[in-house]
Amino acid sequence: EDKVVQSPLSLVVHEGDTVTLNCSYEVTNFRSLLWYKQEKKAPTFLFMLTSSGIEKKSGRLSSILDKKELFSILNITATQTGDSAVYLCAVNGGSQGNLIFGKGTKLSVKP
Amino acid sequence: DSGVTQTPKHLITATGQRVTLRCSPRSGDLSVYWYQQSLDQGLQFLIQYYNGEERAKGNILERFSAQQFPDLHSELNLSSLELGDSALYFCASSVLGRPDEKLFFGSGTQLSVL
Repeated sequence: EDKVVQSPLSLVVHEGDTVTLNCSYEVTNFRSLLWYKQEKKAPTFLFMLTSSGIEKKSGRLSSILDKKELFSILNITATQTGDSAVYLCAVNGGSQGNLIFGKGTKLSVKP
Repeated sequence: DSGVTQTPKHLITATGQRVTLRCSPRSGDLSVYWYQQSLDQGLQFLIQYYNGEERAKGNILERFSAQQFPDLHSELNLSSLELGDSALYFCASSVLGRPDEKLFFGSGTQLSVL
């Protein structure tokens, strides 16, 4: 069965800390891995990764994929209270080629 | 704002009832997806449409059905509702519905079955 596992499930840090969120997957017909940020309702797109070892960056956020070890990490440096959200990892693959989501990591950034 | 519009935002109903959730995709997007998000299951794929035709089906119950209309808006119909159907239902859209495209999500419909 295809699955995406995120860890930790929740995390509490203080402003200025650096955090690393993990996503491992076992998905047939892997096509891409995506990270989303869900603050209140709608998940918003962060990154799409298709190739191993190529880091994607956007401001204080960065992500990298390891297709050999079947995992990805999302790094957030110098965290701010506005980074508080649930971060979702999703893999496009499986028998139907749709997004398979992990359960998310809830990040809380304290002032 | 993702450009994907879902109505209503909240829905409270009773067991056994039937409800319809509506979604308008981003302008130019031909493909619509429906997802269910519950506290213990995370985001679960239900069904995908592309230009009016069903393209992929996930863990959608037989009590649920969906369609995409010629104007590309989509409706998700949930019938014989049970307490366990209470969840946040998301619609997402993409241009061509291809696996290499990112999805844009609406704000969801919070369904509460009492």
